[in-house]
Amino acid sequence: GAVVSQHPSWVICKSGTSVKIECRSLDFQATTMFWYRQFPKQSLMLMATSNEGSKATYEQGVEKDKFLINHASLTLSTLTVTSAHPEDSSFYICSATATGKETQYFGPGTRLLVL
Amino acid sequence: GENVGLHLPTLSVQEGDNSIINCAYSNSASDYFIWYKQESGKGPQFIIDIRSNMDKRQGQRVTVLLNKTVKHLSLQIAATQPGDSAVYFCAETLLSGTYKYIFGTGTRLKVLA
Repeated sequence: GAVVSQHPSWVICKSGTSVKIECRSLDFQATTMFWYRQFPKQSLMLMATSNEGSKATYEQGVEKDKFLINHASLTLSTLTVTSAHPEDSSFYICSATATGKETQYFGPGTRLLVL
Repeated sequence: GENVGLHLPTLSVQEGDNSIINCAYSNSASDYFIWYKQESGKGPQFIIDIRSNMDKRQGQRVTVLLNKTVKHLSLQIAATQPGDSAVYFCAETLLSGTYKYIFGTGTRLKVLA
């Protein structure tokens, strides 16, 4: 149980385009999902907390207009990187917690390369 | 910040030996702790968790120890296997809060054949 998927697993795009990443909880309902970014050889950096049916809460320094988050259902959250630039290239990982539970289960990650 | 780490500490152990990975957590009020394993190019995988009302919890081949006095968490892996090679992260959170996790900087475990 507690399986989280992400799609796509990797994406290459041109500078200036937008990229959408999906995060799905496959076998449980997730009221809360989290989006992280990870640079090589570093720990996970929380970008935002996504609650179903409400606006996401962004961490300090994360531009909400650049990283659009939508959590329209209890099993799906999306992160859209708008007008991507090379510095947005990174490994993006989502996690989800089952309703009323505290353990975060992580997706496999999405590697984004912006040319 | 707590998520910045230019150099991952590395622990090298012989296959079959026991491994001990340590973590110093930051918030004395944290009451829920988790260990994750992350293989290269993959997302973190849940290993074991512990609440602050316990000081030890055992799983399959793994044990987590919690010392609240010195804000220290450790993960013990028995009979380490090549498949245990990965980066291990500890995380802490406050159950009465938003369940946001604070992650440690990570430790790379290398299992030598």
